[in-house]
Amino acid sequence: ELVLTQSPGTLSLSPGERATLSCRASQSISSSYLAWYQQKTGQAPRLLIYATSTRATGIPDRFSGSGSGTDFTLTISRLEPEDFAVYYCQHYDNSPMYTFGQGTKLEIK
Amino acid sequence: QLQLQESGPGLVKPSETLSLTCSVSGGSIYNYYWSWIRQPPGKGLESIGYIYYTGATNYNPSLKSRVTISIDTSKSQFSLKLSSVTAADTAIYYCARGRALFNYWGQGTLVTVS
Repeated sequence: ELVLTQSPGTLSLSPGERATLSCRASQSISSSYLAWYQQKTGQAPRLLIYATSTRATGIPDRFSGSGSGTDFTLTISRLEPEDFAVYYCQHYDNSPMYTFGQGTKLEIK
Repeated sequence: QLQLQESGPGLVKPSETLSLTCSVSGGSIYNYYWSWIRQPPGKGLESIGYIYYTGATNYNPSLKSRVTISIDTSKSQFSLKLSSVTAADTAIYYCARGRALFNYWGQGTLVTVS
């Protein structure tokens, strides 16, 4: 069973700084099937990135994704106040089910 | 703009059946997969299952024995039934469009088992 481990659990940064969030898979996965979501308090998750590096519609270009094999990264180049939230990575493929990581909380320092 | 709206009881007694409906508006229910996902308070996201507009379903193996997802295309709605609930089923329940990649979500509804 695939497990996605996100690190750090909590990341404390200031607006304007660069954020780097990690997602590590317990086995090698295709980069075609790795996504990132943002969830603000009291809201549903929002799709940010799919296929490792493709931004979803309307997502600002300060969000970028990269990685391959077992190690994937979400980078926010310059944090805006509205970026502080919880971020989840997700593996999805043609199999019936999918897996989320446990999340990284990005908080204001 | 596609909108999804969950509805159903916010409180369910242990051992009873949780029933929720997701109403789809602003777009077609045809030719898409539709999913249920849940999130225990303060925790991460868990898949429940999905249904295709034709009625074909697939469920998370950990919940499969208790879950039924159905669809009513004439009403642009799909539904979730989860039987024999316990406190561990207390969660925010989301409906979403897609089989495994979700770009449209409902706002979620909190269901408490108590």
